[in-house]
Amino acid sequence: QKEVEQNSGPLSVPEGAIASLNCTYSDRGSQSFFWYRQYSGKSPELIMSIYSNGDKEDGRFTAQLNKASQYVSLLIRDSQPSDSATYLCAVNIGPYGGSQGNLIFGKGTKLSVKP
Amino acid sequence: EAGVAQSPRYKIIEKRQSVAFWCNPISGHATLYWYQQILGQGPKLLIQFQNNGVVDDSQLPKDRFSAERLKGVDSTLKIQPAKLEDSAVYLCASSFKFWGQETQYFGPGTRLLVL
Repeated sequence: QKEVEQNSGPLSVPEGAIASLNCTYSDRGSQSFFWYRQYSGKSPELIMSIYSNGDKEDGRFTAQLNKASQYVSLLIRDSQPSDSATYLCAVNIGPYGGSQGNLIFGKGTKLSVKP
Repeated sequence: EAGVAQSPRYKIIEKRQSVAFWCNPISGHATLYWYQQILGQGPKLLIQFQNNGVVDDSQLPKDRFSAERLKGVDSTLKIQPAKLEDSAVYLCASSFKFWGQETQYFGPGTRLLVL
């Protein structure tokens, strides 16, 4: 059974701090990794994708991938109350490179940013 | 650009009844997905269409769930008969490829409660 594991939280950080969200996956052949943000009662929204080892930065968000350790993380710098949401890690288990088909989602980590 | 449209937004039925959900993807998106998201869980892929053909339906409970995508555009997902454990949010997503990378966009979802 191919799995994606996340700490369900809640993770609470003060405003302005760095929030660190972690995810591990079981399928060593996975090629593509994604972070989605889901506000309560809303649908998931893609915020980051990463395909190769290392860091990828986009504004206040940095995704980190370590395929040897089967580990992917998301850092949110200068956290804001508006970042309070559930963050879903998703892994592509198909040999499709940049394709998002066959996504396996984790259960999500609930982040709360306190003013 | 209009997003993925879904209807109805909410549905309450009794067990053993049938229900149907409708999805209209973003114009030009060839790939369409149906996901089931149970409260506290990440989305689980039910079925993936490429145009009007099924790519992956391995996790679709075919004894009660069916889906179609006529003419490669709109799609319907049906449950007949419904069970209590079918209570969930049903998310439709569509995607396109750009420079080999694919991005899924989710609709607002249909919240189903089976009593």
